[in-house]
Amino acid sequence: QKEVEQDPGPLSVPEGAIVSLNCTYSNSAFQYFMWYRQYSRKGPELLMYTYSSGNKEDGRFTAQVDKSSKYISLFIRDSQPSDSATYLCAMSTASGGSYIPTFGRGTSLIVHP
Amino acid sequence: KAGVTQTPRYLIKTRGQQVTLSCSPISGHRSVSWYQQTPGQGLQFLFEYFSETQRNKGNFPGRFSGRQFSNSRSEMNVSTLELGDSALYLCASSLDGITEAFFGQGTRLTVV
Repeated sequence: QKEVEQDPGPLSVPEGAIVSLNCTYSNSAFQYFMWYRQYSRKGPELLMYTYSSGNKEDGRFTAQVDKSSKYISLFIRDSQPSDSATYLCAMSTASGGSYIPTFGRGTSLIVHP
Repeated sequence: KAGVTQTPRYLIKTRGQQVTLSCSPISGHRSVSWYQQTPGQGLQFLFEYFSETQRNKGNFPGRFSGRQFSNSRSEMNVSTLELGDSALYLCASSLDGITEAFFGQGTRLTVV
């Protein structure tokens, strides 16, 4: 079993839908939780970053962390075709003076007009 | 300011050869990390360098090595290439390995 599990999809939704992306993890030592977005032929870019359990909102994006269940989610409201990308969850703990993220395999999201 | 620059963008090598990939971090960033991305395994951590020292290492064979120069630029080397080394190799830089990391566009390596 991988430390971070993420359904690869693809997830196809109509424009304007609310999207829910999820990851589960097994390592209770993880302290930081992140969501990255990766467009085709590009490197990942950080979308959301959170430390504690609970919700964090940024525009149309909401990140949710439930440490007791080892489950994190990313919600996208009013989804747009430009949101079509692969979404990677990542989580990290301290290691040798830095925080090295462990990534999920990514969920491919397609938002069709 | 300029982002993370990786060169070359694409590379085709023959099994058994070696390859060197380059990464120029964002100015002022001292931490550089390397990742391998494949459809089957996703993004996997290779190693991290900070101030010319390898600070963390992932679970990859010794054929994968790297180094960092005094200007924080980093190189990654893979010797005795195998078909399974075909992947997108990504470099990420951050100020200190703790704050946000910014990724380059990657080098697509194909081993034939």
